[in-house]
Amino acid sequence: QSVLTQPPSASGTPGQRVTISCSGSSSNIGRNTVNWYQQFPGTAPKLLIYSNNQRPSGVPDRFSASKSGTSASLAISGLQSGDEADYYCEAWDDSLSGPAFGGGTKLTVL
Amino acid sequence: EVQLVQSGAEVKKPGESLKISCKGSGYRFSSYWIAWVRQMPGKGLEWMGIIYPGDSDTKYSPSFQGQVTISVDKSINSAYLQWSSLRASDSAMYYCARHGVGATNWFDPWGQGTLVTVSS
Repeated sequence: QSVLTQPPSASGTPGQRVTISCSGSSSNIGRNTVNWYQQFPGTAPKLLIYSNNQRPSGVPDRFSASKSGTSASLAISGLQSGDEADYYCEAWDDSLSGPAFGGGTKLTVL
Repeated sequence: EVQLVQSGAEVKKPGESLKISCKGSGYRFSSYWIAWVRQMPGKGLEWMGIIYPGDSDTKYSPSFQGQVTISVDKSINSAYLQWSSLRASDSAMYYCARHGVGATNWFDPWGQGTLVTVSS
């Protein structure tokens, strides 16, 4: 199983706000910053959030994220059908001496 | 534009060898780590290993140590992932991704992926 724990699925209706959690430990999220990636079917992952809560240029401010202790969360407000994708959290793991990914959360817009 | 371009899809038989590539452009290739990430059909992302082109320093995930070899040729801005003897269980999509140094520790950009199919 994955080092970081995410719910396998999340859903919401258009316009709603949804959150996706990411749980880790003191060797990863507890010590290092968290990044989030968005992956549409058949395409490569894309950086969505970096350094806990920073958005790369071009990412709408509907996407936000936070970190507290050994957990992090991604929030998507004003949900749109185009947000249907898989979302992954990631943080460097000092015990692994490498990056750790969450198992991914499939977001469905109902 | 910063980008990583990977080699094309491969179909191989069990026991064959394979080397796939990832070519960087638009940035100083030697100054950023390049990671390889596996995604099996319908599954999540798994970090395999990472290499720093500047000095070829390489780290492997314990899950992939001894199973693959990661290398780099900085003269042509390319990183490689290699198998000496493929198994059916190696069938997956493989991505390379640039990883920053120090405070810039995230994966961006990603290559388009190389699909590897191993079947007799």
